[in-house]
Amino acid sequence: ETGVTQSPTHLIKTRGQQVTLRCSSQSGHNTVSWYQQALGQGPQFIFQYYREEENGRGNFPPRFSGLQFPNYSSELNVNALELDDSALYLCASSPVSGTRYNEQFFGPGTRLTVL
Amino acid sequence: AQSVTQPDIHITVSEGASLELRCNYSYGATPYLFWYVQSPGQGLQLLLKYFSGDTLVQGIKGFEAEFKRSQSSFNPRKPSVHWSDAAEYFCAVETVRGSTLGRLYFGRGTQLTVWP
Repeated sequence: ETGVTQSPTHLIKTRGQQVTLRCSSQSGHNTVSWYQQALGQGPQFIFQYYREEENGRGNFPPRFSGLQFPNYSSELNVNALELDDSALYLCASSPVSGTRYNEQFFGPGTRLTVL
Repeated sequence: AQSVTQPDIHITVSEGASLELRCNYSYGATPYLFWYVQSPGQGLQLLLKYFSGDTLVQGIKGFEAEFKRSQSSFNPRKPSVHWSDAAEYFCAVETVRGSTLGRLYFGRGTQLTVWP
């Protein structure tokens, strides 16, 4: 069974650019959540996708957007990058959303550096 | 509103010593409580979880924790730490009801250093 995978591993961008991060969920999981982990901080919830629709959003501006595809993989897009967007971006998948607890399985993350 | 506070940013212990990690939770409804471990360059691995039933929970890597509702605590303990336990540990809470279901709120982490 393949776990959650993310690409790329590392990425360097400059301020004002746009970036797309990708996540492949674990087999059988239809829900994907994205988290931002700044250096020295705990992860912060960005948003969650369930059956290709956004299913909850944290305190992040609209320039953070996402997609989920029919195969349940997901993308995180960030427009107009700012220096503070430098962080580890974590993707987590789980089997079902909106019901009782289902464990979230995390990928290794994408390290984004904005110069 | 949920809040999660880890009072210890950094803990240093000698190999073989006992360990207890601390976290204070604040939540409005019945919570699900978690601890995750993160090794350098890695994602998060679930260490322990509590959402109902027996308040004493066994986790991976030899950790156990007891949920104490009166103290809003769920602190992992390990009787004898191994060098491989060196990592960053995060506590997290997920509320059961409302629009935030499926959303984890994390503490800022406790970095564990193990001396040989």
